[in-house]
Amino acid sequence: NAGVTQTPKFQVLKTGQSMTLQCAQDMNHNSMYWYRQDPGMGLRLIYYSASEGTTDKGEVPNGYNVSRLNKREFSLRLESAAPSQTSVYFCASRDRGAGNTIYFGEGSWLTVV
Amino acid sequence: DQQVKQNSPSLSVQEGRISILNCDYTNSMFDYFLWYKKYPAEGPTFLISISSIKDKNEDGRFTVFLNKSAKHLSLHIVPSQPGDSAVYFCAASATAAGGGNKLTFGTGTQLKVEL
Repeated sequence: NAGVTQTPKFQVLKTGQSMTLQCAQDMNHNSMYWYRQDPGMGLRLIYYSASEGTTDKGEVPNGYNVSRLNKREFSLRLESAAPSQTSVYFCASRDRGAGNTIYFGEGSWLTVV
Repeated sequence: DQQVKQNSPSLSVQEGRISILNCDYTNSMFDYFLWYKKYPAEGPTFLISISSIKDKNEDGRFTVFLNKSAKHLSLHIVPSQPGDSAVYFCAASATAAGGGNKLTFGTGTQLKVEL
C-alpha cells in the first residue's frame, strides 16, 4: 500500500530559488495537508485542502503556495526560498471516517542555504 | 500561543515498566484527541485516539486517559518495549466547532525504553 507519497525526499536550495514539493495519496481521501516540523516546534500546519478545488491557510502559510491538482495530488510551492524555510515537510491526508485520523507521508528534508 | 503542550521533551523508562506521556491543552473547543508516534526519518503514524465523550480508550498496550476538567490527557504504555522508543506527539481538533479538518500538534516527547 503506497498511502501518502511525497517527493523529493531530500533537497538543497539556494536562497531565492523556487521549488515544488509533490504529494499524492491513493486512499481516496478528501482532505490533504502540508505540515512542517522544526526542532522544539512540533508539527505546524502550513496549508490544507478540505476537498478538491479548495485550499485554506494553516498556522504558518507565509512564503508558501499550494495547488490541489485533483483529488489525489496536493503540491506545495516555495516561490523564493529563505533559510527560515529549512525544515522537514510532511504531506498528509485525512480519512473522514474512523475519527478524523490523518495519515502522513514519509517527509521531505529541505535545506535552504 | 501553544494550544497543545507537551512539557516533557524526553522520558526514559526501563523495559517492562509503564511509560506515561502527558499532554495539556488550552482550547476548550477541542473535542477529539490523538496520539502519533514518529520514528527518525519517517512520517508520524497514528497510534490511538479519544473523543471528549469518553475518559478512557484502550488498544492493547496503549491506553489514553482524558481529564476534561483539567484539560489534560495522558498516554500509558504497559509494558514498555524497546521498539516503543520514538517521539510521541499529542494532537487535538475541534470537530464540533467545524475544525475537524485541522489538527493542532504538541511539540513531542522523545521516549527511550532502555533494556
